[in-house]
Amino acid sequence: DAKTTQPPSMDCAEGRAANLPCNHSTISGNEYVYWYRQIHSQGPQYIIHGLKNNETNEMASLIITEDRKSSTLILPHATLRDTAVYYCIVRGRNSGNTPLVFGKGTRLSVIA
Amino acid sequence: NAGVTQTPKFQVLKTGQSMTLQCAQDMNHNSMYWYRQDPGMGLRLIYYSASEGTTDKGEVPNGYNVSRLNKREFSLRLESAAPSQTSVYFCASKTPDYIGETQYFGPGTRLLVL
Repeated sequence: DAKTTQPPSMDCAEGRAANLPCNHSTISGNEYVYWYRQIHSQGPQYIIHGLKNNETNEMASLIITEDRKSSTLILPHATLRDTAVYYCIVRGRNSGNTPLVFGKGTRLSVIA
Repeated sequence: NAGVTQTPKFQVLKTGQSMTLQCAQDMNHNSMYWYRQDPGMGLRLIYYSASEGTTDKGEVPNGYNVSRLNKREFSLRLESAAPSQTSVYFCASKTPDYIGETQYFGPGTRLLVL
């Protein structure tokens, strides 16, 4: 699975959009970009994933650049409850039962 | 639909005691996992099970055993607990790859070994 690089921390004002970047310059053609988050003391939570098209669900939007070397997770209206560590993971479609590798992620602090 | 459930939520053990952490999922997933997370650290895989009746070691299996009792349940056993096993334990299950792999995690078991 390709390696990812994320900033260690970010702040965002409550009600504003939070844009979390992720670099994955060695991504290959069959690898997806996944985003998870972990709110303090809770289990990790799946947010969204995509291959090359932008994706949106009820939680967030995922924007993947045309060359697929980077992506941005967008939380459109951040709330205090979105304060968490966000993990960007690149993983092949047929990774089988190899485990998810959670790196250090980005600690997002939403500020009132 | 409860997702992934874990029991107990908290446990304190003395060194040398044994215990079993229980995990169950109601999403009909074949794959299940046990991770541990130490303070300020990422998740580390202990064991996983690709399907009922099969288990495989992960990154840190020493000191643990697992049982995939049926499709729903995957338990983790500490035969002789050590202080180094103080951690938060998360169980997870995974959707099939062909529909976009997603892991669902339980709320965790916080274990303190004295």
